[in-house]
Amino acid sequence: EVQLLESGGGLVQPGGSLRLSCAASGFTFSSSAMSWVRQAPGKGLQWVSGISGSGVTTYYADSVKGRFTISRDNSRNTLYLQMNSLRADDTAVYYCAKDLLPAPGRFGYWGQGTLVTVSS
Amino acid sequence: EIVLTQSPGTLSLSPGERATLSCRASQSVSSDYLAWYQQKIGQAPRLLIYGASSRATGIPDRFSGSGSGTDFTLTISRLEPEDFAVYYCQQYAYSPPWITFGQGTRLEIK
Repeated sequence: EVQLLESGGGLVQPGGSLRLSCAASGFTFSSSAMSWVRQAPGKGLQWVSGISGSGVTTYYADSVKGRFTISRDNSRNTLYLQMNSLRADDTAVYYCAKDLLPAPGRFGYWGQGTLVTVSS
Repeated sequence: EIVLTQSPGTLSLSPGERATLSCRASQSVSSDYLAWYQQKIGQAPRLLIYGASSRATGIPDRFSGSGSGTDFTLTISRLEPEDFAVYYCQQYAYSPPWITFGQGTRLEIK
């Protein structure tokens, strides 16, 4: 059974940093592209970032490019999202998602999410 | 960036009725890369349909997708109580990756 468990969310001040983690199990992690998708309170879904199975290729939405960094440790079956220069509009539940294709886009499995709140 | 517009914003129906949800793209989308998700309150989204018309694993056959170009439709043939949720369409294109979601349609019990 595919399982994705996010952690690392919390309250952070504007301009601060946070690192999210997603522990994966139940599938061959190194073969799967992975993504982060977020949802602001009461709002819709927004894709944030994706990474290939090998970790060589990364992708970012324009809204986070230069501030967020996606990475993975295939030996630990863990996906990461380093978030710097956080802004109030980054406040959201962040979901880890497993892609069903070699590149980001078809999100077949989702974690339960971790809440990030950016506020002073 | 491709903008997806879903309609209606809210759809009020009764169990047993047929639901038709629309997703319109601001420019042509490859059918291979159009998906639908269901999200219930307090839960993560779930993939329903990919490739515009293929059901994901475990999805009941009362869910069907259709469309091409800029107009896509999700149909639920006979609503069950567990189908009342928010539905999102999504497109994904490559070089570079552009992944966008519609704003969602809330399907509520009438």
